[in-house]
Amino acid sequence: GQQVMQIPQYQHVQEGEDFTTYCNSSTTLSNIQWYKQRPGGHPVFLIQLVKSGEVKKQKRLTFQFGETKKNSSLHITATQTTDVGTYFCAGSPRYNFNKFYFGSGTKLNVKP
Amino acid sequence: GAGVSQSPSNKVTEKGKDVELRCDPISGHTALYWYRQSLGQGLEFLIYFQGNSAPDKSGLPSDRFSAERTGGSVSTLTIQRTQQEDSAVYLCASSLNRDSNQPQHFGDGTRLSIL
Repeated sequence: GQQVMQIPQYQHVQEGEDFTTYCNSSTTLSNIQWYKQRPGGHPVFLIQLVKSGEVKKQKRLTFQFGETKKNSSLHITATQTTDVGTYFCAGSPRYNFNKFYFGSGTKLNVKP
Repeated sequence: GAGVSQSPSNKVTEKGKDVELRCDPISGHTALYWYRQSLGQGLEFLIYFQGNSAPDKSGLPSDRFSAERTGGSVSTLTIQRTQQEDSAVYLCASSLNRDSNQPQHFGDGTRLSIL
């Protein structure tokens, strides 16, 4: 079954509004990666978090890795139409490095 | 090459036929991954190679699926006796190595349609 879940599944926002997607794993992860997939495209790596409680920022994007390393979030401030796409979290279970699970994804639509 | 290359980009075949999908990773990348993505869905992990070795094949959906990698480079994913539920986009990714969890670089995928 699905190891990594994301909510919400879809999010429609007005340009300028903020957006957050949440990622929850059934098992402790060794690290968390975030990817963005534009419509019709392939996933593109955004960032990786390794430490418990780690927070990283990329311009308007803020990524957080939970203290238990079982959850993560991506927050976008003041969305732009270029933010449209599906955002996936991904990671390996801490005790099974031979697998790599992608979250179910959150599809973001930004209305101009 | 500059990026991960997958071929064919599209494949339409009849139910029951065998198909072979190819992935050329970025030169020097030792880790290679195969995923399957159905329309509007997330990525389903299939298998990963470190060099030519696949430590865990349990992610393959059934025994009709097999994968190999030769020379630490090109990988092929073979689906025997295809079924309609095999229709999906098959994505390949490579990373510099696995141990340090390098970012994965994806190809454009092979869109497989089973009639």
